[in-house]
Amino acid sequence: AQSVSQHNHHVILSEAASLELGCNYSYGGTVNLFWYVQYPGQHLQLLLKYFSGDPLVKGIKGFEAEFIKSKFSFNLRKPSVQWSDTAEYFCAVNGGDKLIFGTGTRLQVFP
Amino acid sequence: DSGVTQTPKHLITATGQRVTLRCSPRSGDLSVYWYQQSLDQGLQFLIQYYNGEERAKGNILERFSAQQFPDLHSELNLSSLELGDSALYFCASSPGRTSGRETQYFGPGTRLLVL
Repeated sequence: AQSVSQHNHHVILSEAASLELGCNYSYGGTVNLFWYVQYPGQHLQLLLKYFSGDPLVKGIKGFEAEFIKSKFSFNLRKPSVQWSDTAEYFCAVNGGDKLIFGTGTRLQVFP
Repeated sequence: DSGVTQTPKHLITATGQRVTLRCSPRSGDLSVYWYQQSLDQGLQFLIQYYNGEERAKGNILERFSAQQFPDLHSELNLSSLELGDSALYFCASSPGRTSGRETQYFGPGTRLLVL
């Protein structure tokens, strides 16, 4: 069965700090990987996605993620966070018709 | 704004009652998905419809049902409500043609509170 693990449940950073959020998945076939963000009181928005090709994927707002097949990982990174990045971040895998989400990581950025 | 609309935004009801949540997908999208987000279960996939037909089923309770109409809007019906059904219910849509490789666009959600 497909599953997604996000090990960091709550991350607190100061502005300008670097960010890396972990995501590991379990799936036997070809996977499609996503990172979604949910700002306070808002709906889920796509940050970036990986289907195939270059394993380093660039998304919106300066975010990027690297797909490492051997580690079953798809970690999200940003070199310098801003206060406006405060949100909940969800990693998701889709091997068929449904998205399987991780439990989410709550990021708080302080000025 | 994702282009997916959901009504109502908030719903407060009592245990044992029945409610209907409505979703209109983005223009041109044929697939509609329903998700439940709760504090203890996280984001859970419930069900998917494609062009009026059920395509995939997740952790949807028997008390819950959904349908997609000819104009492609979808409704999620929740009956015999329990306190534990209190959650945020999201609808998402996608074109539906290439299945797992598609981005799903999420609506603003309906927050259901069962008292």
